[in-house]
Amino acid sequence: DVKVTQSSRYLVKRTGEKVFLECVQDMDHENMFWYRQDPGLGLRLIYFSYDVKMKEKGDIPEGYSVSREKKERFSLILESASTNQTSMYLCASLAGNRVGYTFGSGTRLTVV
Amino acid sequence: QQQVKQSPQSLIVQKGGISIINCAYENTAFDYFPWYQQFPGKGPALLIAIRPDVSEKKEGRFTISFNKSAKQFSLHIMDSQPGDSATYFCAALDDYKLSFGAGTTVTVRA
Repeated sequence: DVKVTQSSRYLVKRTGEKVFLECVQDMDHENMFWYRQDPGLGLRLIYFSYDVKMKEKGDIPEGYSVSREKKERFSLILESASTNQTSMYLCASLAGNRVGYTFGSGTRLTVV
Repeated sequence: QQQVKQSPQSLIVQKGGISIINCAYENTAFDYFPWYQQFPGKGPALLIAIRPDVSEKKEGRFTISFNKSAKQFSLHIMDSQPGDSATYFCAALDDYKLSFGAGTTVTVRA
C-alpha cells in the first residue's frame, strides 16, 4: 500500500512565522498535492506537482508556496503565517496512470 | 466556487437503516468519481469509486448510483452500523485534480 507521511500531526505557530509542512510518499508517484480542509468547505487544492521541480497552482494558492526537490518529498511553505491559515493540511500522491490517490493523516496547524 | 455540490451536510440514521448522500457536478471533463471516508484525526480514505460509463457499483454495504445525463451521483450505505459514523466526501477527477464536495457527517445511532 502507498504510504503518505506528513511529518507533524499538530503545529502551533505565531503570526508572521515562516512555516514548513513536509510530506513524503514511498511509492514513486509522479504527482503530489497539498489540500487544506475546513469545516463546510471540504478539501480545497492549494498546489500540486507532477514532477520534480515542477509545480502548478491549485484553487487557493495565495499565501502559500511549495518545493519539490526530490520525487518522494513535497513541501508546503507559508512564507508569513496568518491566523486565516489555521486549518487541517492534507498531502496526497497519485501515480501517473491516475490510480491510487492516497492521502496522509494530515497536519493540524494553528496560527496564533 | 465548489465544483461538486454535496448534500446533506449531516444525517443521523438508526443502526440497520440506509444512509443516502447526494452529489452533483457541472464539469463534463470529470471522468472518475470516488467517495472518501474520513474518521476524526485521520486523512480521507478511498471507500468506493465509479467511472461515468457505469450506472451503479456495489461493494459490500456501499453502493454508488451514477446518472450521467443529470450529472448526479449518490452513495447508499445499507444496513448502517455505528462503525460507519464518519464524514463522507464525494469527489470528481479532471486530469490529475480532484474536486471535493463539502462533506457529510453521518452518525449511526445504536
